[in-house]
Amino acid sequence: EAQVTQNPRYLITVTGKKLTVTCSQNMNHEYMSWYRQDPGLGLRQIYYSMNVEVTDKGDVPEGYKVSRKEKRNFPLILESPSPNQTSLYFCASSRLLDSSFTEAFFGQGTRLTVV
Amino acid sequence: DQQVKQNSPSLSVQEGRISILNCDYTNSMFDYFLWYKKYPAEGPTFLISISSIKDKNEDGRFTVFLNKSAKHLSLHIVPSQPGDSAVYFCAASGLNTGNQFYFGTGTSLTVIP
Repeated sequence: EAQVTQNPRYLITVTGKKLTVTCSQNMNHEYMSWYRQDPGLGLRQIYYSMNVEVTDKGDVPEGYKVSRKEKRNFPLILESPSPNQTSLYFCASSRLLDSSFTEAFFGQGTRLTVV
Repeated sequence: DQQVKQNSPSLSVQEGRISILNCDYTNSMFDYFLWYKKYPAEGPTFLISISSIKDKNEDGRFTVFLNKSAKHLSLHIVPSQPGDSAVYFCAASGLNTGNQFYFGTGTSLTVIP
């Protein structure tokens, strides 16, 4: 079954404690990205990657890091989480087709609370 | 600065009637537009898309219309069904916009049986 898998689904942590949210896709997609969803703001892109070892900042990259060492994995790292990073996070992947990207497949989401 | 806007946070429609969800964008370089549907506790799922070379794309009960001069797109659902109740996001991208996807804030559709 084609899917994007995020872990964990729920996480409560304390300010400053480093954490990683994992994301894996089994569709051999080139493009992967991370979004956060906040009330009244919709989905905002944090980082994206067009292929292995290629990553770029989205609209709201501050306080986040990513890496793309393998095509299937795209972890999101919060080195020193703060309460304003409390949010619902989604990972997504897309295929490159004719020099553009197709629709995104999303993971189930990770609800992060930073206290 | 929100480049994709959905000005109606919510919409209620009677079952069997037409639902029309609207989306406006500001960046004339966008050339690919998508609609996603999201149920609670799930990730968004792709619904329908349209490229800027077209002004209409239809898939079953769902039709997306694109008006490039007005920088406006709309999603029509006919007939609406209770299972269509969800949050709908429009999204846009373009090769000349840094390969980013830009999403609207979403419209919560309720279809009343």
